[in-house]
Amino acid sequence: DAGVIQSPRHEVTEMGQEVTLRCKPISGHDYLFWYRQTMMRGLELLIYFNNNVPIDDSGMPEDRFSAKMPNASFSTLKIQPSEPRDSAVYFCASSPNDREQFFGPGTRLTVL
Amino acid sequence: AQRVTQPEKLLSVFKGAPVELKCNYSYSGSPELFWYVQYSRQRLQLLLRHISRESIKGFTADLNKGETSFHLKKPFAQEEDSAMYYCAVKGSTLGRLYFGRGTQLTVWP
Repeated sequence: DAGVIQSPRHEVTEMGQEVTLRCKPISGHDYLFWYRQTMMRGLELLIYFNNNVPIDDSGMPEDRFSAKMPNASFSTLKIQPSEPRDSAVYFCASSPNDREQFFGPGTRLTVL
Repeated sequence: AQRVTQPEKLLSVFKGAPVELKCNYSYSGSPELFWYVQYSRQRLQLLLRHISRESIKGFTADLNKGETSFHLKKPFAQEEDSAMYYCAVKGSTLGRLYFGRGTQLTVWP
């Protein structure tokens, strides 16, 4: 089992460009989470899904951020337009219950 | 509202010294607490949970409801313990964990 899969692992883009991050959760896990990690703010929950339905998106910074989960095996986090302050490591995690979460390797995003 | 506070962003100790990573929480009800760890170039992973009352890699954490704390302790730190440690509390909303900002532990040789 490869665990949670994220792509790309690294993304460098210019300000104003659209960025799409992808996540494949562990099969059978009902929950999917998107987090952002920065030195200043630590680990922030952006949004999470239960059975493909968004439950809490209060952590999404602004309208430039959107997330979808069209099926149980795939989710995307999109930033449009991107800004330098969006530079961070973005983690996806999945969970079979409401306790232990299994994290992906993260996507390191740099917006120039 | 659920909150987790980790007062130290950085913590350094020498190998063999005791180490304590502090975590305080606010939660109404019966809390469930966790410690997650992220080693260099590895994924964030669960280290231990208070309901298991387990010791993992020599680490223990006791839930103190009176002090609303869940400090992570190890009597003799090792260099391989150097990592980022996150304390988390299970929220009242199904599925949600609230994470602290993390403590970067460095164990010097």
